[in-house]
Amino acid sequence: DQQVKQNSPSLSVQEGRISILNCDYTNSMFDYFLWYKKYPAEGPTFLISISSIKDKNEDGRFTVFLNKSAKHLSLHIVPSQPGDSAVYFCAATSAYAGNNRKLIWGLGTSLAVNP
Amino acid sequence: KAGVTQTPRYLIKTRGQQVTLSCSPISGHRSVSWYQQTPGQGLQFLFEYFSETQRNKGNFPGRFSGRQFSNSRSEMNVSTLELGDSALYLCASSFGRSADTQYFGPGTRLTVL
Repeated sequence: DQQVKQNSPSLSVQEGRISILNCDYTNSMFDYFLWYKKYPAEGPTFLISISSIKDKNEDGRFTVFLNKSAKHLSLHIVPSQPGDSAVYFCAATSAYAGNNRKLIWGLGTSLAVNP
Repeated sequence: KAGVTQTPRYLIKTRGQQVTLSCSPISGHRSVSWYQQTPGQGLQFLFEYFSETQRNKGNFPGRFSGRQFSNSRSEMNVSTLELGDSALYLCASSFGRSADTQYFGPGTRLTVL
């Protein structure tokens, strides 16, 4: 059972426009969410995170929004650049898990930013 | 600071063989996690080690095992390889808990023939 879902396997956007990547989760105990970016032949790299006490976190061109009632978060990239073309993974975790705390990953969304 | 390194980068084995993959975390990081990535399954958590102790384990058969040394370097072993074990194996290190920000290595691409 996929607790973290990225329902769009792929997304294509024009350079300079906004990219919106979505992520849904089912476990209401999740309280910390992260986005990672992965280029081919490389490991994922951390992009941005958000705690459940916030509904928005911004870092340069990247903003993550969290809607706890809908169990939904989204990553906005503005403006999109060709170098943003990668696979984006959403991950979630729960402090309540204690020592069993681990990251639960979505399957990823492949973003293509076209020049 | 050097990043996470994994060796080897590519490996080809045949069914029934066993394989050992190595991971060196970022200096000062004490937690090492291993993941299996396949096209249809995304990142599947294998296990996490912290201070030489396995702290967490995913839903993989006992053929998959690991260990961590006193210098935080980690190895994972897969015995009696099956075709379905072909995947990219990623190692990630973090300073404390594995759910903190993780830093990934480039992965080991294992192909089982």
